[in-house]
Amino acid sequence: SQQGEEDPQALSIQEGENATMNCSYKTSINNLQWYRQNSGRGLVHLILIRSNEREKHSGRLRVTLDTSKKSSSLLITASRAADTASYFCATDAGEETSGSRLTFGEGTQLTVNP
Amino acid sequence: EAQVTQNPRYLITVTGKKLTVTCSQNMNHEYMSWYRQDPGLGLRQIYYSMNVEVTDKGDVPEGYKVSRKEKRNFPLILESPSPNQTSLYFCASSFSWARENTEAFFGQGTRLTVV
Repeated sequence: SQQGEEDPQALSIQEGENATMNCSYKTSINNLQWYRQNSGRGLVHLILIRSNEREKHSGRLRVTLDTSKKSSSLLITASRAADTASYFCATDAGEETSGSRLTFGEGTQLTVNP
Repeated sequence: EAQVTQNPRYLITVTGKKLTVTCSQNMNHEYMSWYRQDPGLGLRQIYYSMNVEVTDKGDVPEGYKVSRKEKRNFPLILESPSPNQTSLYFCASSFSWARENTEAFFGQGTRLTVV
């Protein structure tokens, strides 16, 4: 079953602008991760935020997590044309017996126009 | 270079002809899994393995088999492929199945078409 849902489905911005993508989920999680996928290629891990963390930064990426609202956001600042890709959130709600179970949303397609 | 390698990258086959998609990782990861990606449905987990000889069903296991005889390899087997298994398949691995270190490394994908 799909746990994470990204919003918006598609986002088109100009180079230099900031891009914000949101993710909502349904059950309790251990952590939430964001991945990037260039067209038809494998996913690349961007950042992981644990359930007891509220905000995390990595370069031009800023992720927030609100467990009370079961939502997360990914902010990409000063976007570049090379940031054009699909972005997925993945929730890890695994238990001790079943281990890590990443559940992915359908993704946000980001287009950054030069 | 640390990586997950899938083969083949592209495959066209006919209904009912058994096929295997190989997956190998060189990072000594315990946890490996297979996903399929379909438009409008995102990524869905097919099978996963927490360690050698330990495999379990994911969300969409019907029509698939896996094995984990060695830590580095996790092949996906389609005994009798059908057109509804036409999809983009990804193998992924992570260091541990525990709550920490669950960042996943993905292969480049296998685009399978069953006619």
